[in-house]
Amino acid sequence: NAGVTQTPKFQVLKTGQSMTLQCAQDMNHNSMYWYRQDPGMGLRLIYYSASEGTTDKGEVPNGYNVSRLNKREFSLRLESAAPSQTSVYFCASEETGGRDGYTFGSGTRLTVV
Amino acid sequence: AQSVTQLGSHVSVSEGALVLLRCNYSSSVPPYLFWYVQYPNQGLQLLLKYTSAATLVKGINGFEAEFKKSETSFHLTKPSAHMSDAAEYFCAVSANDYKLSFGAGTTVTVRA
Repeated sequence: NAGVTQTPKFQVLKTGQSMTLQCAQDMNHNSMYWYRQDPGMGLRLIYYSASEGTTDKGEVPNGYNVSRLNKREFSLRLESAAPSQTSVYFCASEETGGRDGYTFGSGTRLTVV
Repeated sequence: AQSVTQLGSHVSVSEGALVLLRCNYSSSVPPYLFWYVQYPNQGLQLLLKYTSAATLVKGINGFEAEFKKSETSFHLTKPSAHMSDAAEYFCAVSANDYKLSFGAGTTVTVRA
């Protein structure tokens, strides 16, 4: 059972470059999430998708866009990367909105130079 | 809006000693509360959750947490620490609005 799969696991970008982080879940969950993790700050919500066809901003959405491609896949795009976006990015999914607890992917470690 | 405060960014315990990690929350509605564990270079794994049933919640790996509404707390405990408990622990709160708010995390070190 794969759970939540994130690609790539590591990435180095130059300032101004763009990239898309991919996330897929095989648990038939309705809700999907993107968080970033920075030392001493816990996890902060970037965007989420309560169900297929919907997306909403979280706490720190600036500089990011998302696409809920279908029920399984939820991608995060950085259009013009900045050093402040150096972080570890986690995708998560959940059956219902905030009651069951998330299943997390293993993360993407992104460095912007 | 909801928020979480974890008291102590680092906790060091001896193997076999009690592990106590403190979490206080604020929420405008009855909350759903969670503890997660993160091992190095891995994602977060759900330890346990409180969803308005029993106030004492048992989770995996011998951990448990008690919901105290009067103190707005959800502290995590384990009676006897094991070396494999060395990890970072996160408390999180949800107002049943899809979004989890996480605390800053507590790193646990276990001394032999």
